[in-house]
Amino acid sequence: EIVLTQSPATLSLSPGERATLSCRASQSVSNNFLAWYQQKPGQAPRLLIYDASYRATGIPARFSGSGSGTDFTLTISSLEPEDFAVYYCQQRSDWLGTFGQGTKVEI
Amino acid sequence: EVQLLESGGALVQLGGPLSLSCAASGFTFSNYAMSWVRQAPGKGLEWVSGIVGSGGTTNYADPVKGRFTISRDNSKNTLYLQMSSLRAEDTAVYYCTRGRHISSLYFEYWGQGTLVTVSS
Repeated sequence: EIVLTQSPATLSLSPGERATLSCRASQSVSNNFLAWYQQKPGQAPRLLIYDASYRATGIPARFSGSGSGTDFTLTISSLEPEDFAVYYCQQRSDWLGTFGQGTKVEI
Repeated sequence: EVQLLESGGALVQLGGPLSLSCAASGFTFSNYAMSWVRQAPGKGLEWVSGIVGSGGTTNYADPVKGRFTISRDNSKNTLYLQMSSLRAEDTAVYYCTRGRHISSLYFEYWGQGTLVTVSS
């Protein structure tokens, strides 16, 4: 089973700054089947990125995903106030939906 | 508009059973994989189980394998999760989710969740 490790655990930034979140897999993620989600307090998560680099419907262009194999990155080019939240990566190799432990982006 | 409405969450005794349901609307239910994802209080997300659009393939996370059963009724647009031998660590909000296509384990749409509390 693939284990996903996200870093850092917490990222303290200001609006307008660039955020770079990392997700490392314990073994190669087949076909780059990796997604990113955003979760705000009291809300269900929202799909941002799938297949490592494709934005989901309605997701602003400031969110981008990159990477392959075992190392993946979510970049928020310029933080908006509504972007402060917890972000999770998730892989779907072997039809198992493993999540990382999350990165909190805070002001 | 895609809507997923979970029900069945409750306070249940340690070792007891519980069944969850998810009523889906706004899309052709049989065309999409569905999953249950849970979140313990103050913790991260954990995928629990998934089922393809036809219902012919299912899979489970190791912590629930042998205790939980996922199923779907495509004629009723409803997803189910039967849980047995419940443990304290099963306490969580359980989300019903829809995949991006018939066999996708990405979670494109989420319900608002239903709370399961396992108590001794």
